[in-house]
Amino acid sequence: EIVMTQSPATLSVSPGERATLSCRASQSVYSNLAWYQQKPGQAPRLLIYGASTRATGIPARFSGSGSGTEFTLTIRSLQSEDFAVYYCQQSNNWVSITFGQGTRLEIK
Amino acid sequence: QVQLLQSGAEVKQPGASVKVSCKVSGYTLTDLSIHWVRQGPGKGLEWMGGFDIEEAETIYAQKFQGRVSMTEDASTDTAYMELSSLRYEDTAVYYCAAAAKWELLLRRSASFDYWGQGTLVIVSS
Repeated sequence: EIVMTQSPATLSVSPGERATLSCRASQSVYSNLAWYQQKPGQAPRLLIYGASTRATGIPARFSGSGSGTEFTLTIRSLQSEDFAVYYCQQSNNWVSITFGQGTRLEIK
Repeated sequence: QVQLLQSGAEVKQPGASVKVSCKVSGYTLTDLSIHWVRQGPGKGLEWMGGFDIEEAETIYAQKFQGRVSMTEDASTDTAYMELSSLRYEDTAVYYCAAAAKWELLLRRSASFDYWGQGTLVIVSS
């Protein structure tokens, strides 16, 4: 099973600043990496797929990068609604899809 | 727009089974790849299984094999997930998640655009 490790566990950033979240895979997942945002009491929301493609309706301040084993989600000019938990998810092979443990983005 | 509407909360005893439904509207069920993801209290997301568009069959996470069954009823556009031999640690919110099959073929990877609202399953004696 491919293990996804996210860092940091919690990130404190001020509104208007930039947040950088990391996700590392235990083996190469090429560009088969997605990012989700989850707010309390809500289902996850797809932000990025294919490591860098924004999903429909996702603001341009969200961007994804990386390939292989190292990935980054960057959120520019943080808005109040961006404070949430973020998960990465790999699907390098359909036999086993795995999520990272999540990064909590909180207001500094 | 695509909506996934899940069945209501359940309370089950250890050893029992639970069956959660996921009703699709705004799209045809057979044109979607439906997966199931669960989230324990205060925990992260855990993929349980779903429809593999490459093999055209349902696949299950190894952890749940032999204990989970995912089925679909095209006549009612409803997907089901049944988990048997329930344990206390199965207490979680269970989500159905989906993407259009043609989208997944283009992406060549699995990512889920549509999510149900979640179904809380509590295992308690």
